[in-house]
Amino acid sequence: DIQMTQSPSSLSASVGDRVTITCRASQSISSYLNWYQQKPGRAPKLLIYAASSLQSGVPSRFSGSGSGTDFTLTISSLQPEDFATYCCQQSYSMPPTFGQGTRLEIK
Amino acid sequence: EVQLVESGGGLVQPGGSLRLSCAASGFTVSSNYMSWVRQAPGKGLEWVSMIYSVGSTYYADSVRGRFTISRDNSRNTLYLQMNSLTAEDTAVYYCARMVPDCSGGSCHNWFDPWGQGTLVAVSS
Repeated sequence: DIQMTQSPSSLSASVGDRVTITCRASQSISSYLNWYQQKPGRAPKLLIYAASSLQSGVPSRFSGSGSGTDFTLTISSLQPEDFATYCCQQSYSMPPTFGQGTRLEIK
Repeated sequence: EVQLVESGGGLVQPGGSLRLSCAASGFTVSSNYMSWVRQAPGKGLEWVSMIYSVGSTYYADSVRGRFTISRDNSRNTLYLQMNSLTAEDTAVYYCARMVPDCSGGSCHNWFDPWGQGTLVAVSS
């Protein structure tokens, strides 16, 4: 199975900050990488698919980049509703595997 | 609105069984690839099982032989029958639709939407 490793595991930031979260795959996965947002008690939400495509309805402050083994999720200007956990997922091969998550907290 | 709602979670003793349900609205379960994904306390998401529109099924090694994914087309509902449960199966279980997209020369897929999850706790 392909292992996905995120860094950092947690992050403190302030409203208006620019934040970058990294996801690394244990082997090349081309651009087969998705990003999700999780809030407690709520359904996970798709943010980015195919490494850099923004899901419909997701604010443009979210962006994704990368290819091969290294990927990033960037939030250009943090809003109060963005404090959540973010996780990556590879769709290159079965089984689909996820990163352990990055918890974004208010500083 | 496209939506998934899970139910059926609860407390069960080791060795016991439980059946989870996932009711879909806004789309047809039988025409889509559907999955179960779980999240143990303090852990990341773990894919559990998938059923394709043609009916073929796939399982994670950790649950193969104990869990069974199925669907009821008349109820537009996905199920996960879980047998021989252990403490390691304790988790929030989510159902999700896998969306394939083969435009652009390559086939990508992603999970969307997800349900809100149902908690399964295995303990004596």
